Amino acid sequence: DGGITQSPKYLFRKEGQNVTLSCEQNLNHDAMYWYRQDPGQGLRLIYYSQIVNDFQKGDIAEGYSVSREKKESFPLTVTSAQKNPTAFYLCASSTLGPGDTQYFGPGTRLTVL
Amino acid sequence: DQQVKQNSPSLSVQEGRISILNCDYTNSMFDYFLWYKKYPAEGPTFLISISSIKDKNEDGRFTVFLNKSAKHLSLHIVPSQPGDSAVYFCAARLEGVGAAGNKLTFGGGTRVLVKP
Repeated sequence: DGGITQSPKYLFRKEGQNVTLSCEQNLNHDAMYWYRQDPGQGLRLIYYSQIVNDFQKGDIAEGYSVSREKKESFPLTVTSAQKNPTAFYLCASSTLGPGDTQYFGPGTRLTVL
Repeated sequence: DQQVKQNSPSLSVQEGRISILNCDYTNSMFDYFLWYKKYPAEGPTFLISISSIKDKNEDGRFTVFLNKSAKHLSLHIVPSQPGDSAVYFCAARLEGVGAAGNKLTFGGGTRVLVKP
């Protein structure tokens, strides 16, 4: 069954702790993306990657870090430097052809206490 | 500066009637537009898209219209069904290559409620 998995679905952390969100895809997509969604708002791009060992900052990269050691995996670390980390985090992937659609995972809701 | 705006945060429609969702954008370099549907606590699912060289694209009950001169697009759902109740996001893509070219800018979403 092809798709994108994100784990865990719900995550609670204490303020000041780093936390890593998992994203795995078996669609053989080259590009992967991380977004965050806040209540009543659209999705905002955090980081994206089009190839292994390469990634680019999105619109709101401050306080986040990523790695792309494998094509299938694009984990996101929310660091203690992120001022307002509580949000719904969405991972997506796509091929690199023109007009190719991004497919999203089910999301991880992070709550920082 | 919001480049993609959905000015109606919510919409209520009777089952069987038409739902019209609107989206405005400011960047004339957007070359591709998409609509996603999202249920609570789930990831968005792709619904329909349109290239900037077209003015209409239809897929079953869903039709997207693009008015480039007005920088406006709309999604029509007809007939609306209770299962269509969700949040709908408009997204736009800048011309480019690779993942940079597939970056999407999202609107704030419109919550649709279809009443039986």
